[in-house]
Amino acid sequence: DGGITQSPKYLFRKEGQNVTLSCEQNLNHDAMYWYRQDPGQGLRLIYYSQIVNDFQKGDIAEGYSVSREKKESFPLTVTSAQKNPTAFYLCASRVQTEAFFGQGTRLTVV
Amino acid sequence: GENVEQHPSTLSVQEGDSAVIKCTYSDSASNYFPWYKQELGKGPQLIIDIRSNVGEKKDQRIAVTLNKTAKHFSLHITETQPEDSAVYFCAASPWNGNEKLTFGTGTRLTIIP
Repeated sequence: DGGITQSPKYLFRKEGQNVTLSCEQNLNHDAMYWYRQDPGQGLRLIYYSQIVNDFQKGDIAEGYSVSREKKESFPLTVTSAQKNPTAFYLCASRVQTEAFFGQGTRLTVV
Repeated sequence: GENVEQHPSTLSVQEGDSAVIKCTYSDSASNYFPWYKQELGKGPQLIIDIRSNVGEKKDQRIAVTLNKTAKHFSLHITETQPEDSAVYFCAASPWNGNEKLTFGTGTRLTIIP
């Protein structure tokens, strides 16, 4: 099946630890995005990549890092510098217009 | 950068009635306006979109209108059904598909049986 896959679905992290969220797509899309979703704040853009080996900061990039070494993959690392990392994280890929979203990863800091 | 505002944040309507959600945007370079529906625990899915060279688009019970001069666009759902209950997001973007896609804050729509 073609689509975009995020893993894991649930993730628990201790304070002070880095954690990496996986996002893989087999849609052959150039553009990929990471959004953070908090109640009442909609989808806020963390990072996006328009093409392999290139990415740009979104509106809330502080405390996050990404890489785009392969077209299919756009992992997001939540670093210990992110003050409030507990949230629902959504990855998307896009070609021309429609964005296709994964099922999300719910990250909880314990 | 682009700023998208969405209202209302919550909306309850009786089954069979219509629902309207409104959004405004700030960047005149935006010319693509999609609407996404998100069900509980899932990623958002596109339900309808409109480009700036069109004022209105309809797909069965769903329609979107765009006023480019006033920089606002709206989602209209007619003859609402229980399965329409979800969170709806508007978004705005330049037409180039690789650019930023900026979302509104979402509307939680509840259909009352």
